[in-house]
This record gives sequence, structure tokens and C-alpha cells, in this order.
Amino acid sequence: DQQVKQNSPSLSVQEGRISILNCDYTNSMFDYFLWYKKYPAEGPTFLISISSIKDKNEDGRFTVFLNKSAKHLSLHIVPSQPGDSAVYFCAASASHNDMRFGAGTRLTVKP
Amino acid sequence: DTGVSQDPRHKITKRGQNVTFRCDPISEHNRLYWYRQTLGQGPEFLTYFQNEAQLEKSRLLSDRFSAERPKGSFSTLEIQRTEQGDSAMYLCASKAGEHEQFFGPGTRLTVL
Repeated sequence: DQQVKQNSPSLSVQEGRISILNCDYTNSMFDYFLWYKKYPAEGPTFLISISSIKDKNEDGRFTVFLNKSAKHLSLHIVPSQPGDSAVYFCAASASHNDMRFGAGTRLTVKP
Repeated sequence: DTGVSQDPRHKITKRGQNVTFRCDPISEHNRLYWYRQTLGQGPEFLTYFQNEAQLEKSRLLSDRFSAERPKGSFSTLEIQRTEQGDSAMYLCASKAGEHEQFFGPGTRLTVL
């Protein structure tokens, strides 16, 4: 069962513009959400997280928004840079236990 | 370097053979996780340990799979009688308390 879904397998944006990656979840028990970035031949690297008690968390160029009623979260990258090109995974957990991941979105930032 | 390490990075084996992977977590992390990732998918949870205790196992973890963390430090994941469907990237992650998980580089298994 796919509890975390990333419906866009790929996204291409121009350098300097905003990248918006989306994620939907089905399990209402999830209370902690994370975004990971993955380069080829490396393990996923933690990017940013948000607790279900918040609706926004910002860290530099990265902002995560959480809409609990819609069971939807998004990652905004502004401005996008070529080095941001990677696969981005959305993940969710309940009570900080094991995580469930989406299938990933491949972001390409064109110079 | 104090990150999560995994060994080997690559493993090619013939169907029916047994394989064992090792994960060394970040030293102060009490939780250790194993995931499997296939092409085009996100990591799928397999099992996790808190110290030496295995607290949860996914239904993906068939009887051919066994994981241990005998001293609450490194962990091993063994696959017996490998099948072609076991070919995947096996990822290990660790964390302390309620913080994010830190991943190792993974072990890529190819079963011929």
C-alpha cells in the first residue's frame, strides 16, 4: 500500500526560478514529515522536516508547507540552482518510528 | 568520517547463494534501520533496531531475511537462498532519539 505518493516522477525548471515538489499521504497517523535529496550512487541526504503541529518550516532556500486537512505537503526551492538537480523523496513517520517514502521526483535545474 | 558506513558497496551473487551485508551506524545513534530500494521507487522499510532489540519487521522481510544487531552497534542483514527478485539497493540508516535518519551509501545487490 502506497501511503506516501509523489505523483510527478520528474520536474524541470530554469535556474533562478522556483521549484515546487509535491507529496500526498493517506495515513492520518503520520505526524512528522521529511524531505530527502539523493544523488546517484549515494544514500539519501536529509534536507528539511516539519512536525504536524506546524504548517510551514523554512531553512534558507528550502521551505516545506504542510496542509493536514488535504494530507498534502510541498517543498519549495527558491531560487533553484543547478546543484539542486537530484531525486527528491518525501517521507513520513508516525511517532518518530519507521519512515514511509514516496517514489521520488527527479528535479532538473537548467542553467 | 563519522557517517553511516556500509560494506560491501556492491555484491554480485548467483541465485541460491547466501549474502551478508554490514552496517556501521553513527556511534551515538541508538536506532538503526534497514531499507530496500528498487529502480524508480523510494526506500521501502524492512526492519529497525533500538539498541540490540529488533522492534519492528516489515512483511517485506521474508523468512529468508534475517537481521541482527548483537551489541547495539553494527548490524548485519543476511539473505539466504537469494532470488533474482532480491536484486536491489539495501540502505542502512541510523538516528538518535526523535531526529532525522542519516543514511549510508547503500549496498547494491545483483542476483544472477
